[in-house]
Amino acid sequence: GENVEQHPSTLSVQEGDSAVIKCTYSDSASNYFPWYKQELGKRPQLIIDIRSNVGEKKDQRIAVTLNKTAKHFSLHITETQPEDSAVYFCAASIRSSGDKLTFGTGTRLAVRP
Amino acid sequence: DVKVTQSSRYLVKRTGEKVFLECVQDMDHENMFWYRQDPGLGLRLIYFSYDVKMKEKGDIPEGYSVSREKKERFSLILESTSTNQTSMYLCASSSSDLVTSSYEQYFGPGTRLTVT
Repeated sequence: GENVEQHPSTLSVQEGDSAVIKCTYSDSASNYFPWYKQELGKRPQLIIDIRSNVGEKKDQRIAVTLNKTAKHFSLHITETQPEDSAVYFCAASIRSSGDKLTFGTGTRLAVRP
Repeated sequence: DVKVTQSSRYLVKRTGEKVFLECVQDMDHENMFWYRQDPGLGLRLIYFSYDVKMKEKGDIPEGYSVSREKKERFSLILESTSTNQTSMYLCASSSSDLVTSSYEQYFGPGTRLTVT
C-alpha cells in the first residue's frame, strides 16, 4: 500500500519568515495530494490540494509543489503569522479508489512573534 | 456548510468494556471514514465505507469493527477495549462525485477515548 513520509516533525520559524514542509510518497499511481491544518484542540481542515496533472498551485500565502518523477510534494508558507501555528498533515490518494487517503505523520509548526 | 458530529467528546472505559462511537454527517456524502490520531503517528485509517452496508478495512483494523446501516451514520465498535486503544478517534466524510464535488474530507470534532 501507499506510504507517506513527512519532514520535519517540528518546525519553528520567526514571524514573517517562510516555512517549508516536505513529503514523499511510494505509490506512483497516487494522483491527489491534499494538505490539512489542525489547530490545537480542533479538527483537521483542508487548506490546499494538488492533483497529479499540475506541478504547482498557490493560494495567497500558501503554495504546494509536486514532483511526480521524484514522488515528492511540498507545502510552502510565506510571510508566516502566529495564526499559522498548527500541525500540518500531508496525504496522498489514488482518486479512483474512492478517497482513501494515506496521511503523513504531521509537522508541528510554531511561528514565533 | 458540512457538519460532521460525533457522539462523545470524551470517554473513559475500563479494559474489556465495549465502546460504540457514532458519527453522523448531514451532507449526503457517500464516503465515511474512521481514523485514530496518536502523537507522532499522524492519522491512521481504521475502516472506511463507500456506501450503506459497505465497509473496507483500512491500515489498522485489528480490534475494531464498523457498521453503516444508514447513509448519514457510521459507527465504530470496540468489542473489548484494551489500553493500547487509548487514542483520539476522528470520523470524516466526503463526496464520491468526481465531477462536481470537492475532494475534501470533512472531519468531526473527535472523541478522546481513555482505556484504564
